[in-house]
Amino acid sequence: LAKTTQPISMDSYEGQEVNITCSHNNIATNDYITWYQQFPSQGPRFIIQGYKTKVTNEVASLFIPADRKSSTLSLPRVSLSDTAVYYCLVGDFTYNTDKLIFGTGTRLQVFP
Amino acid sequence: DSGVTQTPKHLITATGQRVTLRCSPRSGDLSVYWYQQSLDQGLQFLIQYYNGEERAKGNILERFSAQQFPDLHSELNLSSLELGDSALYFCASSVRQGSETQYFGPGTRLLVL
Repeated sequence: LAKTTQPISMDSYEGQEVNITCSHNNIATNDYITWYQQFPSQGPRFIIQGYKTKVTNEVASLFIPADRKSSTLSLPRVSLSDTAVYYCLVGDFTYNTDKLIFGTGTRLQVFP
Repeated sequence: DSGVTQTPKHLITATGQRVTLRCSPRSGDLSVYWYQQSLDQGLQFLIQYYNGEERAKGNILERFSAQQFPDLHSELNLSSLELGDSALYFCASSVRQGSETQYFGPGTRLLVL
């Protein structure tokens, strides 16, 4: 099981770029890396998923180095509404759905 | 709106009681997942069903059970409730059971008094 480690919290200001790194030293060959965002009292929302190199969508970018032992979620020009908890999830859910662990995530606070 | 619906939104009950939480997945999704989130805690995976069959179990207590019906909706049954069972219970769905996006419902907030 690829255990993940993320910072507990991060602070930023509006307009800045925020990078949240997740460590997953034991990532397996078939594992994907997925990031979710959760606002208080709401269900998590999918942000981005990747396997290697770089993935970009309209919301964020995901950088994965060649060894895949870590990944970085990049949020460009954050706003107050990006204040949320961000979860890094690693797994090959086809065979290891019983190991779905979101952990405590990274609490991002964006200030004006 | 993720397309996943959960009922009820709020539930208040007493210790020792039994409750049923309901989840309707997105149209076309075959997998349903149940999660528990206690105050200031991360999401704890409970159980997954795929096309009516139990696919995986997480940290689900023996007092809890679930099932997925032919129309793919799912129910989570919580019995002999304890104060510590107070939490947000989320349901998520996905098309298959692999490494893919899960769509979460709005959750059911359970308060056990």
